[in-house]
Amino acid sequence: EAGVTQFPSHSVIEKGQTVTLRCDPISGHDNLYWYRRVMGKEIKFLLHFVKESKQDESGMPNNRFLAERTGGTYSTLKVQPAELEDSGVYFCASSQDQMAGREAFFGQGTRLTVV
Amino acid sequence: GQNIDQPTEMTATEGAIVQINCTYQTSGFNGLFWYQQHAGEAPTFLSYNVLDGLEEKGRFSSFLSRSKGYSYLLLKELQMKDSASYLCAVRDLGSSYKLIFGSGTRLLVRP
Repeated sequence: EAGVTQFPSHSVIEKGQTVTLRCDPISGHDNLYWYRRVMGKEIKFLLHFVKESKQDESGMPNNRFLAERTGGTYSTLKVQPAELEDSGVYFCASSQDQMAGREAFFGQGTRLTVV
Repeated sequence: GQNIDQPTEMTATEGAIVQINCTYQTSGFNGLFWYQQHAGEAPTFLSYNVLDGLEEKGRFSSFLSRSKGYSYLLLKELQMKDSASYLCAVRDLGSSYKLIFGSGTRLLVRP
């Protein structure tokens, strides 16, 4: 069974440019999460999809960030325009359901560097 | 507020036992997870506690005390490959069941 895959693994862009990150969850997982770790800080929640619906987007920093999950399969996270403080590692995670003890499976992350 | 504390770094010797502590103060609690993360790789699930007590899984055990807001991860018979970051995360009570992470503990296992 394939795990959670994220693309690209690294991205270096200039301030003001646009970047789109992609996440392919484990097949059959309805729940998809985006998290972010900025330098020296803890991993922080960005948003949660259940199938194609946004369940919780309370962690999204501002309106420069747009997440989509068309068809309830893969998800994209677009940053437009990118700022220096957006640099960090963006993780995607998926889970089958929200039963007690059901862990989320993480991808290896996309390292975004804004210069 | 949400606050999860764990030591930044720990060092231990191969074959020994190490305990990584985690204290939390969160507005809601729906279980505590421990993840292991090697540099550049995905965090991988180690353990889950929702009731007080000890959960054992091979060389890894995790303990929870909800009244004290405290958990620890115990690693026995340390191996070099156990050198990694260990992430303590509390699952929120809200509808998203999101994880609230500590900053992680970098464990270095020396020969």
